[in-house]
Amino acid sequence: DAGVTQSPTHLIKTRGQHVTLRCSPISGHKSVSWYQQVLGQGPQFIFQYYEKEERGRGNFPDRFSARQFPNYSSELNVNALLLGDSALYLCASSLDTGSYNEQFFGPGTRLTVL
Amino acid sequence: GESVGLHLPTLSVQEGDNSIINCAYSNSASDYFIWYKQESGKGPQFIIDIRSNMDKRQGQRVTVLLNKTVKHLSLQIAATQPGDSAVYFCAENMRRGYGNKLVFGAGTILRVKS
Repeated sequence: DAGVTQSPTHLIKTRGQHVTLRCSPISGHKSVSWYQQVLGQGPQFIFQYYEKEERGRGNFPDRFSARQFPNYSSELNVNALLLGDSALYLCASSLDTGSYNEQFFGPGTRLTVL
Repeated sequence: GESVGLHLPTLSVQEGDNSIINCAYSNSASDYFIWYKQESGKGPQFIIDIRSNMDKRQGQRVTVLLNKTVKHLSLQIAATQPGDSAVYFCAENMRRGYGNKLVFGAGTILRVKS
């Protein structure tokens, strides 16, 4: 079975632009979470979705938004990009949102904002 | 606040030796902890997990120890191999309403010398 897939793998944008990142979870997984990983740090939680509903939001500005589709894939949107948005954006999928559900991570999308 | 931190940012070990990576967590209510391995250019990979009702769990060459009294986790890798070289993160699963999120530490770089 395929793991979590993300697209694109790399992306270069300029300040003020917007970006859409995509994630396909493992087949059968209904929950998708997004994390931002700045170089040299651990991933930071951005959003969690389950059955198309937002189940959690991290401490990120409203420029960040996400959604989940009926096939459980997800998009992360970032508007008005800032230099500080440069990071690796990770998507993780899990069966549901239970405490002991393992979250499987994708390879990430490397976003560079110039 | 929410934080999971690591004592040592970099650990160098000789091939064949045992490695111990430590982690402190702050939320005494957390009931699930995970260790991840992240290689360059890849997403975090699950290594081993432990629930708060346990104090030790063993996998293949890896052992996780949990000390709830002092809110401390450790990952022990037996007979460390060059392929173990990576960044290791501990993560604390925190329940939030109907969802959950992982809170990661900054990571420890493990370098294995041949």
